[in-house]
Amino acid sequence: DAKTTQPPSMDCAEGRAANLPCNHSTISGNEYVYWYRQIHSQGPQYIIHGLKNNETNEMASLIITEDRKSSTLILPHATLRDTAVYYCIVRPLGDDKIIFGKGTRLHILP
Amino acid sequence: DTGVSQDPRHKITKRGQNVTFRCDPISEHNRLYWYRQTLGQGPEFLTYFQNEAQLEKSRLLSDRFSAERPKGSFSTLEIQRTEQGDSAMYLCASSMGQSYNEQFFGPGTRLTVL
Repeated sequence: DAKTTQPPSMDCAEGRAANLPCNHSTISGNEYVYWYRQIHSQGPQYIIHGLKNNETNEMASLIITEDRKSSTLILPHATLRDTAVYYCIVRPLGDDKIIFGKGTRLHILP
Repeated sequence: DTGVSQDPRHKITKRGQNVTFRCDPISEHNRLYWYRQTLGQGPEFLTYFQNEAQLEKSRLLSDRFSAERPKGSFSTLEIQRTEQGDSAMYLCASSMGQSYNEQFFGPGTRLTVL
């Protein structure tokens, strides 16, 4: 079973920052936080991952709380193409499989 | 396009028939994964290969399901005696190097069992 809890859906205005929360209160010390997204009719796409430090790449920023029990994915300037289901995943180092939950359906509003 | 490819993209079959799907991973990716996704749910892990060796199988993979990766390149997933409950999107992904590296997903094969 997925070890994360996410809101089922969120709305965000185009051009604004989208902040997607994720709770993972039972995370272990060797488990990473990953984010993937799935645009309609496509396979999931990797966004970012981190262990305990905040991470940033060209797509998004990942903010992990100090106790690692929750995290937030930030899309700094959301566009209509960011409309998708966003999955927050906890994954142990060395574990090949990904356990997906139901994710958050993000709607970007024009 | 050098991404993961899957064939066919759509398959409609009658209950009881056998079906086979193919996945071509990104060139030189040593790990290959199969997932299944039903409507409204996230993908569920089925099995994975490192090169030609099948290293893990989910309990979701009943004995009607078999996957192969004979030369460590493309993979096939066969479902025998299909049931209506097998209707789903079957996703393939590949990755390179360490297990925690990102997985690149294909577009999926949508199976409908009538």
